[in-house]
Amino acid sequence: NAGVTQTPKFQVLKTGQSMTLQCAQDMNHEYMSWYRQDPGMGLRLIHYSVGAGITDQGEVPNGYNVSRSTTEDFPLRLLLAAPSQTSVYFCASSYSQGTNYTFGSGTRLTVV
Amino acid sequence: SQQGEEDPQALSIQEGENATMNCSYKTSINNLQWYRQNSGRGLVHLILIRSNEREKHSGRLRVTLDTSKKSSSLLITASRAADTASYFCATDGGGADGLTFGKGTHLIIQP
Repeated sequence: NAGVTQTPKFQVLKTGQSMTLQCAQDMNHEYMSWYRQDPGMGLRLIHYSVGAGITDQGEVPNGYNVSRSTTEDFPLRLLLAAPSQTSVYFCASSYSQGTNYTFGSGTRLTVV
Repeated sequence: SQQGEEDPQALSIQEGENATMNCSYKTSINNLQWYRQNSGRGLVHLILIRSNEREKHSGRLRVTLDTSKKSSSLLITASRAADTASYFCATDGGGADGLTFGKGTHLIIQP
């Protein structure tokens, strides 16, 4: 099993550009979420999904969109990149609410 | 906003010593989880303790939970250089938004 796969691992964007961070899991997990990790801030929840077709906002959703058309995939879209979105982004999945998460290896994004 | 708050923020000990990290949180929980993050890597789940449990063991790890004090501790016994990492507690309040993470404790094991 590959677990949770995130691509790309590194990305540099110019301010105003858009891009999609990919996240895929092969464990048939219903629950998926996106976090961003900034120095000294821990992990903050951006968006989450409790199943295909269902998404909701987390703590810091502004500037990001998500969709969940399949159980396996949960892409995160940056609409108009800003330097404040420079961060490390982690995708995570779990079998259901109340169980442990499996994390991807992260995408390190720099917006210049 | 952070639900869990780890203490200390950083900890440096000698190899072979025990390491203790604490986590305090504010609201009621269904479970509390501990994760490890090696530098530049994703988080790895260590242990989950439910609100009706007081102590749990996994290998060299021991986790305690005191819901009356809203606190948890992670003990790593007989530390090794490979234990050098950041450790995060995460609380599950039972809501659909899942886990809320603290800022972490950075543990350094000196050889």
